[in-house]
Amino acid sequence: AQKITQTQPGMFVQEKEAVTLDCTYDTSDPSYGLFWYKQPSSGEMIFLIYQGSYDQQNATEGRYSLNFQKARKSANLVISASQLGDSAMYFCAMRERERSDKLIFGTGTRLQVFP
Amino acid sequence: SAVISQKPSRDICQRGTSLTIQCQVDSQVTMMFWYRQQPGQSLTLIATANQGSEATYESGFVIDKFPISRPNLTFSTLTVSNMSPEDSSIYLCSVRREGPSEQYFGPGTRLTVT
Repeated sequence: AQKITQTQPGMFVQEKEAVTLDCTYDTSDPSYGLFWYKQPSSGEMIFLIYQGSYDQQNATEGRYSLNFQKARKSANLVISASQLGDSAMYFCAMRERERSDKLIFGTGTRLQVFP
Repeated sequence: SAVISQKPSRDICQRGTSLTIQCQVDSQVTMMFWYRQQPGQSLTLIATANQGSEATYESGFVIDKFPISRPNLTFSTLTVSNMSPEDSSIYLCSVRREGPSEQYFGPGTRLTVT
């Protein structure tokens, strides 16, 4: 069964607008962590934001925020005030604490920001 | 964050040959991971490399094809052996630090096998 699902293969957003990238997950482990990474065309994986399953508040990092809805098992990334440099692939990933330390990745969403 | 370097950054290799990729971290870490990203795909874990023990391989990956060394707490190598065009991928080294959110990636090695 797929553990991380990103249903949007591609998204477009106009510069300065906000955009939401969807991510749903599946786990029976009560302790887990959710990550978002950005991958520009250069190939590097840039860490954006993290949400722990026991965190009471939604994570925020600058223009990035994570809309964590535990009951729905969703962890959507919100990018506010999009910039042209935000154009990249975005991957959602999960680590199940009690199983292993490995990250399981979704299939990614390609975001394109246009002027 | 962690400063992670990988060598080479890219290479073009002939089928049947082997390539060793190096990963260097700026500080000691217990856990290092090697991921593969095939063209247009997501990341897949190849193996976990802990210092002082054998690497743990994921289903579908074997030591003969992807031997890994972890001689100390700041360095690891991944070898892609007897390469075929299907091995053309980005190979990424990743490290885990103490905090739950601290998982970082190296810049990747872009491998093309002809």
